[in-house]
Amino acid sequence: EAGVAQSPRYKIIEKRQSVAFWCNPISGHATLYWYQQILGQGPKLLIQFQNNGVVDDSQLPKDRFSAERLKGVDSTLKIQPAKLEDSAVYLCASSPEAGVFNEQFFGPGTRLTVL
Amino acid sequence: LAKTTQPISMDSYEGQEVNITCSHNNIATNDYITWYQQFPSQGPRFIIQGYKTKVTNEVASLFIPADRKSSTLSLPRVSLSDTAVYYCLVGDVGNDMRFGAGTRLTVKP
Repeated sequence: EAGVAQSPRYKIIEKRQSVAFWCNPISGHATLYWYQQILGQGPKLLIQFQNNGVVDDSQLPKDRFSAERLKGVDSTLKIQPAKLEDSAVYLCASSPEAGVFNEQFFGPGTRLTVL
Repeated sequence: LAKTTQPISMDSYEGQEVNITCSHNNIATNDYITWYQQFPSQGPRFIIQGYKTKVTNEVASLFIPADRKSSTLSLPRVSLSDTAVYYCLVGDVGNDMRFGAGTRLTVKP
């Protein structure tokens, strides 16, 4: 079974530029999560989708971050414009069932550096 | 909000049992407790999940007291490959899931 795929693996941009990350969850998984992990800290949940609906986006900085999950499958996370403090690893995870708090399967992450 | 607190780091030796405790004083009734392991440059990997009492699987045990305000991950007979960061996650679907800051476990030969 293929795992969670993310691209790109690394991205370097200058502040005020835009960037987008892509995630393809494990086939059939209903729930998809985006996390931000700053160096030395635990992952911080940005947004959670169940199928193509948003369950929790309370920690998403909506003035600059947006995310969508079209057709309830893959997802993109966008930052526009980027700030220096957005430098982090962006992790995508998926879990099998909607409405159930079960094991999350994480992708390898995208490391973003904002200069 | 179920904020979690863990020790920043722990050291152990190969073959020893390691117990890592997570405090979550404000845990909600519906919240579950989940532990993840993370190696450098990788995403976290699920270890174990529980709601109350004791849960055991092939790699770890999870002890949760009756008041559920803390939990302890127990790793039996650790090896060098268990050197990693261990995270406690408390929450429920759509209910403000929060990872702790993590415990960096170093296993020495």
